[in-house]
Amino acid sequence: DAGVTQSPTHLIKTRGQQVTLRCSPKSGHDTVSWYQQALGQGPQFIFQYYEEEERQRGNFPDRFSGHQFPNYSSELNVNALLLGDSALYLCASSINPQTRQYFGPGTRLTVT
Amino acid sequence: DAKTTQPNSMESNEEEPVHLPCNHSTISGTDYIHWYRQLPSQGPEYVIHGLTSNVNNRMASLAIAEDRKSSTLILHRATLRDAAVYYCILRVVEETSGSRLTFGEGTQLTVNP
Repeated sequence: DAGVTQSPTHLIKTRGQQVTLRCSPKSGHDTVSWYQQALGQGPQFIFQYYEEEERQRGNFPDRFSGHQFPNYSSELNVNALLLGDSALYLCASSINPQTRQYFGPGTRLTVT
Repeated sequence: DAKTTQPNSMESNEEEPVHLPCNHSTISGTDYIHWYRQLPSQGPEYVIHGLTSNVNNRMASLAIAEDRKSSTLILHRATLRDAAVYYCILRVVEETSGSRLTFGEGTQLTVNP
């Protein structure tokens, strides 16, 4: 049984560009959450998707947007990249919005 | 979101028990106490969770104070593979809109051979 998968593993972008990160949830899971983890800090909640809708959102600007597809996979989009967006982006899935979350290995984004 | 307080770092010797403390004095009656750990270069991994009673699973035990203002994660016999950052999290569940995990800084556990 494959766990949560994320692509790409690593990504380098230039300030001002846009980026899309992808996540496939664990089999049987319909809820996807996204987190940003800066170096040396704990993950920070960005948003959670369930039934193709954003259900909860953390304290992140509108430059951060997402989407969930009918097969429950999800994308995280970040527009107008800033140097401070450099971080590990983690995707987590769960059976439903209230249950424990399973994390993927993350996508390391570097903005230069 | 209610906050948790953990020591920045702890050390243990291999095969000895480890007690990782967490203070959460502002916990509300419906907040679940969750523990996750993050090994180097990996995403966080669920360890255990509880509401009021002590809990045991194959990975660890969770001891919750009677007033729920503190808890302790217990690793019964630490191994080198247990070296990780351990996060104590209060999970707020909202029936209509899901839940979020609010991570703090965590405790860096070092296990000495």
